Amino acid sequence: NAGVTQTPKFRVLKTGQSMTLLCAQDMNHEYMYWYRQDPGMGLRLIHYSVGEGTTAKGEVPDGYNVSRLKKQNFLLGLESAAPSQTSVYFCASSRQGIEQYFGPGTRLTVT
Amino acid sequence: RKEVEQDPGPFNVPEGATVAFNCTYSNSASQSFFWYRQDCRKEPKLLMSVYSSGNEDGRFTAQLNRASQYISLLIRDSKLSDSATYLCVVALNQAGTALIFGKGTTLSVSS
Repeated sequence: NAGVTQTPKFRVLKTGQSMTLLCAQDMNHEYMYWYRQDPGMGLRLIHYSVGEGTTAKGEVPDGYNVSRLKKQNFLLGLESAAPSQTSVYFCASSRQGIEQYFGPGTRLTVT
Repeated sequence: RKEVEQDPGPFNVPEGATVAFNCTYSNSASQSFFWYRQDCRKEPKLLMSVYSSGNEDGRFTAQLNRASQYISLLIRDSKLSDSATYLCVVALNQAGTALIFGKGTTLSVSS
């Protein structure tokens, strides 16, 4: 099993550009999450999904959208990137919610 | 945002040393508690859950004191491979949609 994978690993965007981060898991987990990790701060939840076709806002959802059209995939979109969105983005999945398995992360820089 | 507080360190110890990390949390309704390990530029990985009765996994022992809202992690006989950042994590619900991550404590084990 690959576990949780994320695409791309690195990306540089200009302010105002858009992009989609892809997360995929092969563990048949119901729950999936998107976090961001910034220096000097703990991981913060952006959006999450408790099943295919459902999404909900986390702690810091502004500027992001998500979709969960298939159980194994969770997409994070930035419609108009801003420098404040420079961060490391982690996707995670979980069968029952609590014990979460993280992907390798996407390092995004917005100039 | 100080819901989960950890001493950032770094803790610099020689191989074979015993080291203890502490963590305090502010929300008395917190339901579950965990320690995650994060290597440099890698994703967080679940190290162990923390139970009120205390639990041990090899060289690692975790303790929870609900009355004092305090969690600890003890590492015995430190190895070079233990060098990492240790994240204290508190769950406010069972769905994993309200995980509060501490900023982490950095451990460096030297030979």
